[in-house]
Amino acid sequence: GQQLNQSPQSMFIQEGEDVSMNCTSSSIFNTWLWYKQDPGEGPVLLIALYKAGELTSNGRLTAQFGITRKDSFLNISASIPSDVGIYFCAGPSEEYGNKLVFGAGTILRVKS
Amino acid sequence: NAGVTQTPKFRVLKTGQSMTLLCAQDMNHEYMYWYRQDPGMGLRLIHYSVGEGTTAKGEVPDGYNVSRLKKQNFLLGLESAAPSQTSVYFCASSYDPKGLSPTDTQYFGPGTRLTVL
Repeated sequence: GQQLNQSPQSMFIQEGEDVSMNCTSSSIFNTWLWYKQDPGEGPVLLIALYKAGELTSNGRLTAQFGITRKDSFLNISASIPSDVGIYFCAGPSEEYGNKLVFGAGTILRVKS
Repeated sequence: NAGVTQTPKFRVLKTGQSMTLLCAQDMNHEYMYWYRQDPGMGLRLIHYSVGEGTTAKGEVPDGYNVSRLKKQNFLLGLESAAPSQTSVYFCASSYDPKGLSPTDTQYFGPGTRLTVL
């Protein structure tokens, strides 16, 4: 089935550093979404990508829709303590009637 | 607007007990979803609804039932709880299932942490 593979699984970074994470699939996705989940809360949408090659920013966050439509990247610049959380990629799966499938998440921990 | 709310926030059950999780949304969304979140596995869709009176199976529906009697409410039931159902359950709602625009994004509730002993 359509699965999303995220890497890295977790990371520790120093405050102020830039962060990169990615999401890949063996299947083509027509939309890529990036969510963030704060501890003890539900996921919140950060960025949505709708076209191959698209580069979209939301404050210190930048995400790109891979040209092959099989991957996406999320970058966080100048990380701060509140960036802590789990970052999920997601996309509509044709296998499940275009309902979203999620990657396993990248856990981000920041050293202050 | 409260957005998406879930009750209860925490629950402990014994194997074989039953319970119902309630999800409510005040955004007049057509689509509602139930997910479970397990460590290292992300969110997996259990059941969903495309409108009042409708339900459909997701990726991991076994052991769960759902009902959508009112547009604003989506109930998730466990008839005979098993330890494998220990998880964090999230409800979400959206206007459109594909999330093809920012207004169609899925909004998530705060989650229900369920432990089955």
